[in-house]
Amino acid sequence: GENVEQHPSTLSVQEGDSAVIKCTYSDSASNYFPWYKQELGKRPQLIIDIRSNVGEKKDQRIAVTLNKTAKHFSLHITETQPEDSAVYFCAAPSSGSARQLTFGSGTQLTVLP
Amino acid sequence: NAGVTQTPKFQVLKTGQSMTLQCAQDMNHNSMYWYRQDPGMGLRLIYYSASEGTTDKGEVPNGYNVSRLNKREFSLRLESAAPSQTSVYFCASIPLAGVRETQYFGPGTRLLVL
Repeated sequence: GENVEQHPSTLSVQEGDSAVIKCTYSDSASNYFPWYKQELGKRPQLIIDIRSNVGEKKDQRIAVTLNKTAKHFSLHITETQPEDSAVYFCAAPSSGSARQLTFGSGTQLTVLP
Repeated sequence: NAGVTQTPKFQVLKTGQSMTLQCAQDMNHNSMYWYRQDPGMGLRLIYYSASEGTTDKGEVPNGYNVSRLNKREFSLRLESAAPSQTSVYFCASIPLAGVRETQYFGPGTRLLVL
């Protein structure tokens, strides 16, 4: 099945700096890559997603880039703020199934004031 | 509009006991999912229901059963709980049957099996 690896597992940045989280996937047929944010004790919520027909997508301070050749995609957060502190999960469609997502293991982002 | 709701919020079981986790959504979504979340392992799919009347296994179905009671409700049953099933369980729903859409998660059920 699809294998999604996410790095780093923990990331600390100073407020105002940028943060980058990277995921690699194994199935070259994968065509949809969402990112979810989970604050402590809360439910995961979608923050941005990208489809395979584009290489980059931006929404204010967050952006996602996709490299289909290398089979990796990354989340970029600029001008980080304390409220960006959370666990971030990437995901990709599970191999052979259009109805399942395989999630990465998560990145704990801490923004230091 | 409550979105996706789950009950109970927290449960403690003894090994061998059974229980059912309830999930309901009021967004008229077709597909519903059950995940478990363990530290360092992300979200793993247990079962899903692409539409009312259908259910399919996910990555980690052993020890669980599900019922899609109607379009709104999707329950997860542990017949004989084991300590390895200690986890946080999330229900999710999406409007249609494909994954290229936002998954809306419930607030989660924290389960401790002693």
